[in-house]
Amino acid sequence: NAGVTQTPKFRILKIGQSMTLQCTQDMNHNYMYWYRQDPGMGLKLIYYSVGAGITDKGEVPNGYNVSRSTTEDFPLRLELAAPSQTSVYFCASSYGNRIETQYFGPGTRLLVL
Amino acid sequence: KNEVEQSPQNLTAQEGEFITINCSYSVGISALHWLQQHPGGGIVSLFMLSSGKKKHGRLIATINIQEKHSSLHITASHPRDSAVYICAAMGGNQFYFGTGTSLTVIP
Repeated sequence: NAGVTQTPKFRILKIGQSMTLQCTQDMNHNYMYWYRQDPGMGLKLIYYSVGAGITDKGEVPNGYNVSRSTTEDFPLRLELAAPSQTSVYFCASSYGNRIETQYFGPGTRLLVL
Repeated sequence: KNEVEQSPQNLTAQEGEFITINCSYSVGISALHWLQQHPGGGIVSLFMLSSGKKKHGRLIATINIQEKHSSLHITASHPRDSAVYICAAMGGNQFYFGTGTSLTVIP
């Protein structure tokens, strides 16, 4: 199993551009999550999904959108990139409910200039 | 005020020392997780606790629900334990993460 994979690993965006961060898991996990990690700050939950077709907002959803059309994929969309979205983004998944062990992807480093 | 506070923020130890990292939280939780973030950035889940104590190899995690406190212990520390250790409290629909404890183990 590849586990949780994320693409791209690194990206530079100009202000106002849009992009999609890809996340795929091959463990047949129901729950998937998107976090951002800013320097010196804890991880913050952006969005999460409890299964295909179901998504919900986390602590910092503004400026992002998600979709979950399949169990495996959970892409994160940035529509109008802003410097405040410069961060490292982690995708994670868990088999059961939210309190179970989460498996993290390697992260995507995003720089918005 | 952060819902999850970790101490210390930074810790340097000699190889072989016993290490304790503390986590206090102020919210009601369903579970508490300890995560390890390697220098390259990857994150691995170490433990999920809802009560009592868990042990995996040289790592031990404990939680006291009444005192809203958890500890992560590393016995016989090794340079490969050098990483950032993150405490995460899961309550309701919310996840609260500490800012991490940066551990450096010197040979």
